Amino acid sequence: DTAVSQTPKYLVTQMGNDKSIKCEQNLGHDTMYWYKQDSKKFLKIMFSYNNKELIINETVPNRFSPKSPDKAHLNLHINSLELGDSAVYFCASSQGGLAGVNEQFFGPGTRLTVL
Amino acid sequence: GNSVTQMEGPVTLSEEAFLTINCTYTATGYPSLFWYVQYPGEGLQLLLKATKADDKGSNKGFEATYRKETTSFHLEKGSVQVSDSAVYFCALTPNTGGFKTIFGAGTRLFVKA
Repeated sequence: DTAVSQTPKYLVTQMGNDKSIKCEQNLGHDTMYWYKQDSKKFLKIMFSYNNKELIINETVPNRFSPKSPDKAHLNLHINSLELGDSAVYFCASSQGGLAGVNEQFFGPGTRLTVL
Repeated sequence: GNSVTQMEGPVTLSEEAFLTINCTYTATGYPSLFWYVQYPGEGLQLLLKATKADDKGSNKGFEATYRKETTSFHLEKGSVQVSDSAVYFCALTPNTGGFKTIFGAGTRLFVKA
């Protein structure tokens, strides 16, 4: 009965490869997010989708492309991986845009290592 | 713009010590305020929240009070345990709605037995 799940948990790959991370939530939420957490634990938002529509697109290289096939899924595809992409990537979901209910539920994270 | 500033870590305490992690914010109006906790190897999870001035959020012995006059939301616990060792994030969501939560940089807490 996991609320927000991500696969894979660990991803080790070579520079230049293309990889995808998948995220699913079973909370019935309208909004999903991707965050990148660096080695110092700093959390940076990358993208957000609301009802399958892209609503937040921070300054992220266009090698990163999110895709939301439905409200319960938000996947992240990364082309031409670089060393600097190594980080932990977190998926999250929330009910929506009202400030008081914007508690976010996070997945367990995907640790990406680019060699 | 909106921002959150929290004290730098790491914070190292002995078991049963008193904990304070300072958090101040910059925002227009009355944002909602949150503390999230991240245990080793896990994602963030909500610890407590407050949605209006003078509200006190509390959970698992942790407390934080929404202080509009000082734009602060400091996290406190009277007696920490080794199991409280984690990274703590202060965060806000603007009251204009929207979908973007602003997170602080995180404060790592180590509790020694």
